[in-house]
Amino acid sequence: TQLLEQSPQFLSIQEGENLTVYCNSSSVFSSLQWYRQEPGEGPVLLVTVVTGGEVKKLKRLTFQFGDARKDSSLHITAAQPGDTGLYLCAGVDSNYQLIWGAGTKLIIKP
Amino acid sequence: ETGVTQSPTHLIKTRGQQVTLRCSSQSGHNTVSWYQQALGQGPQFIFQYYREEENGRGNFPPRFSGLQFPNYSSELNVNALELDDSALYLCASSQGGANQPQHFGDGTRLSIL
Repeated sequence: TQLLEQSPQFLSIQEGENLTVYCNSSSVFSSLQWYRQEPGEGPVLLVTVVTGGEVKKLKRLTFQFGDARKDSSLHITAAQPGDTGLYLCAGVDSNYQLIWGAGTKLIIKP
Repeated sequence: ETGVTQSPTHLIKTRGQQVTLRCSSQSGHNTVSWYQQALGQGPQFIFQYYREEENGRGNFPPRFSGLQFPNYSSELNVNALELDDSALYLCASSQGGANQPQHFGDGTRLSIL
């Protein structure tokens, strides 16, 4: 069974600070997706990374896929209260199913 | 375009009962996936339907079953409800499989008493 480990599970920081969330596995994924979920809502796709070593930027968010396609990171620069939410990574496995991490709950304090 | 809608938004059942949850997929999407999300956890894949056929199943017992209709809407049925079935049930539609962007509804919160 492929597993995705996310860390940290919980992070509470001040507005303006930087942070990094990690998503690790011992298995290779054909692609990896990052989502953000707010209370009472479904996850919303932020980005998909496909190529080993790929880096994608979405405003202040930078996503990287590991060279071996087993891990990924999400870096937020100058975090804002609007970034608060549950960040989830999900990898596409060999059966073309999404394997999900448990999520990182992020709180940005004004 | 209309997004993914799920009904009902909340539901309370007792152990042993049966439940049907519904999902209308986004316009143009032919694939629907169902997930169970326990409190504080990531979603767990239940199954996927593509053009009315089951196209992959996660580690869930047979009492979890589903349907997809010609308009690509879908139902999730759960029989013999157990306390551990209490969770948020999410439906996601896409144009193709898991490697395509998944568009989620806001889920049905199911509570089992």
